[in-house]
Parts: sequence; structure tokens; C-alpha cells
Amino acid sequence: AQSVAQPEDQVNVAEGNPLTVKCTYSVSGNPYLFWYVQYPNRGLQFLLKYITGDNLVKGSYGFEAEFNKSQTSFHLKKPSALVSDSALYFCAVMGSGGSYIPTFGRGTSLIVHP
Amino acid sequence: EPEVTQTPSHQVTQMGQEVILRCVPISNHLYFYWYRQILGQKVEFLVSFYNNEISEKSEIFDDQFSVERPDGSNFTLKIRSTKLEDSAMYFCASSQGLAGGRGDTQYFGPGTRLTVL
Repeated sequence: AQSVAQPEDQVNVAEGNPLTVKCTYSVSGNPYLFWYVQYPNRGLQFLLKYITGDNLVKGSYGFEAEFNKSQTSFHLKKPSALVSDSALYFCAVMGSGGSYIPTFGRGTSLIVHP
Repeated sequence: EPEVTQTPSHQVTQMGQEVILRCVPISNHLYFYWYRQILGQKVEFLVSFYNNEISEKSEIFDDQFSVERPDGSNFTLKIRSTKLEDSAMYFCASSQGLAGGRGDTQYFGPGTRLTVL
């Protein structure tokens, strides 16, 4: 069975500081990893994904994520946070074998303080 | 940029009533999905649909639920006899279907908030 852990319910960061939202996963075969963002009363918006290739993936709005196979992690990062980045962030994983339905983490609330 | 749309944005119904939630996926996408998110909880997969049939479904998707693609554009989720615990946000998503869906990016609609009284 595949699973995703987002160990922090909430991350607080000051505007202009770097941010990290953590995600670890467990999956059969090679992982396909995704980050989505959800603003209040909105659907999930795709940020970026890792399928294969370079471990550092760049996505929308200046976000990037680093795939680390040995640590089974896919942490989301941004060098300089904006207040408008405040939202709920979901990590998702699917495996190269078995179901192609992604499993989502519980979400991490990112709060960027002015 | 093309997007997934859903109607209505909010549906209030009485317990035991039937509801139909509607979605218009992105036009060249081949896979369609329904998810739900109970307030404050994780996003849960309900069902996926490809080539006019269900390709996968979760334990949540029991006989109370059904999906249909009645025409070339709409994708619907029907809940036959709603229960209080069906209250949630329901998201439709679609994906292109590259590589048979594996590794596909799913694009989500804005959701329908279902409230069962």
C-alpha cells in the first residue's frame, strides 16, 4: 500500500524567509510525486511533480521540490516566502506498479507572516 | 488556460434525497475522477472513469454512488440516498491519460460543497 506523511500540520514563516514543507512517502516501485496547493474554498491547484530525471523539480509560483530516494522524501521549498503563499499544501504519491490513483497526505497549512 | 468546472458550488439537501453533482472536465482529457474532502480532513479518492466505464473505485464508493458521462462533456456523480456523513466537499478532476494514466497530472475543479441536513 502506498502512503504519504506530512509531519507538520502547520508551518509558520516570516515573509522573505525560505520555507520548507515536508513530505515523506512509501510506495511500491518507483514513485511519482506531486505537490498541490489549496486556497480557501478552492480546488487543488497543481504545483509540480517528479516522475524521473533531475531530483530538483521546479514548479509554479517559484516553488521547487527535491526528491530524495534514500530518505523517501519530497520536500517542497521556496527561497523567499510571500504572504500570498499562505494556503494548504498537499503532497501526493503514486507508484509505478499497481494503482495509478494518487494517495494524498493530510495537508500542511502554511502561514506566512508579514 | 482550460480548467475543470463544477456545478453547483454549494448544494444543500435533506437526508435520504438524491443529489447529482456535475463536472465538465478539460476537453482533451481522457481520465476523470471524483474525490471528496470532509471538512479539515484529507482528500479521499472515490472513483476513476475511463473509456465510459469505471476503472477504479475506493471502498467509499459503494452502491449509493454512481457516475456517468451522459454526453461528450459532462461527468456526473450521483448520490442516491444521502446520509449526514456524506456532507463534504466533492472535487472532480481530469487528466490527459498519457502513459495510461500513470504519472498523469490531475487537474481539479473548484469543488461542490454538499451539506446534508
